[in-house]
Amino acid sequence: SAVISQKPSRDICQRGTSLTIQCQVDSQVTMMFWYRQQPGQSLTLIATANQGSEATYESGFVIDKFPISRPNLTFSTLTVSNMSPEDSSIYLCSARDVEEKLFFGSGTQLSVL
Amino acid sequence: TQLLEQSPQFLSIQEGENLTVYCNSSSVFSSLQWYRQEPGEGPVLLVTVVTGGEVKKLKRLTFQFGDARKDSSLHITAAQPGDTGLYLCAGPLGGSNYKLTFGKGTLLTVNP
Repeated sequence: SAVISQKPSRDICQRGTSLTIQCQVDSQVTMMFWYRQQPGQSLTLIATANQGSEATYESGFVIDKFPISRPNLTFSTLTVSNMSPEDSSIYLCSARDVEEKLFFGSGTQLSVL
Repeated sequence: TQLLEQSPQFLSIQEGENLTVYCNSSSVFSSLQWYRQEPGEGPVLLVTVVTGGEVKKLKRLTFQFGDARKDSSLHITAAQPGDTGLYLCAGPLGGSNYKLTFGKGTLLTVNP
């Protein structure tokens, strides 16, 4: 099974700043995703990180706010830009392996003051 | 609109008790998955059910997929403190084979 390393594990940021979250998988995976988990809410898919091309965003999420990179098959970043307190959440990286199973990183707990 | 409704939202029981949590939808799903998430960790896949009426067992956990493929249940026998966590159900989003929609989860606490 794939192991996903995500960092930072948590951060406290000032409004108006940006934070980049990194996600490293220990093996090549077919697909990588970014989810948001807000308190009392379900996991919500932000976007699919496509290798070598622009990410595919879900409704309600835009590239200017959540730019995503995936330079190779095992690494991706998510940036939360121009943060506001409403962006306080857990952000989770996930990947689908060759057996079509979905694995998650440990998440990044973000608090915006 | 939440596609997958989970109940109860919270459940606190004593060690040794049995419990059932539910995942319901008005939509038909080709498959449903159950995950457990512990504090500070990401969700971990427990099982995938794909056939209406299917029952799968994982040690003390029994998963059932409804005949109409609109609902699923998770039954835990003789719960242990190690079963504590957030139980999430998930299904394919919008007909996609690789994007998932999740329920809000059931937060289970098993007290020693």
